[in-house]
Amino acid sequence: QSALTQPASVSGSPGQSITISCTGTSSDVGSYNLVSWYQQHPGKAPKLMIYEGSKRPSGVSNRFSGSKSGNTASLTISGLQAEDEADYYCCSYAGSSTFYVFGTGTKVTVL
Amino acid sequence: EVQLVESGGGLVKPGGSLRLSCAASGFTFSSYSMNWVRQAPGKGLEWVSSISSSSSYIYYADSVKGRFTISRDNAKNSLYLQMNSLRAEDTAVYYCARVGRYLGAFDIWGQGTMVTVSS
Repeated sequence: QSALTQPASVSGSPGQSITISCTGTSSDVGSYNLVSWYQQHPGKAPKLMIYEGSKRPSGVSNRFSGSKSGNTASLTISGLQAEDEADYYCCSYAGSSTFYVFGTGTKVTVL
Repeated sequence: EVQLVESGGGLVKPGGSLRLSCAASGFTFSSYSMNWVRQAPGKGLEWVSSISSSSSYIYYADSVKGRFTISRDNAKNSLYLQMNSLRAEDTAVYYCARVGRYLGAFDIWGQGTMVTVSS
């Protein structure tokens, strides 16, 4: 099972909006509404930001939103802030044989 | 406080073995599926293994199948990963992570434990 494809880097200025894509296949992203997104600061454990494609866990800012179309999921960060600078990973359930597959990761830079 | 704390990492020679532990606190451990996720230095996240709440269902990534064994002891609120026949490519930070509050998502993570496989 190959990793989901994400852009290596995305950047934006404070206050702007950015979108990170996550492209999988009909065996993972396209088949299940179980895409999650994680934020990881250097040297820290990942933090859940979005689950089931578009839902936010309690405590996560509403500046973070998720969506899905076909085999591609997306994470949008609105009103970009300096603290949003981090690595972001998508993850999808991929069935009982592969189970979970992560994305390649995207480094977000706040200019 | 909901918490996961990993231990057991270290330096091991290729072909060697290591057992990781993850101690859970602050929640009903026996109600949740648990997982191991690893991250090689400077690389992305890789799911390693999952175990259901009662140990009835166990899954492994192809990269570790036949070499790693996941287990849990609900009485001790603990998750384990027995790693045998270790290879250089197994070098990574190993995180334990909970799934269950939010469907299909890892909502609680430990701080990770480093495993280095080198001669």
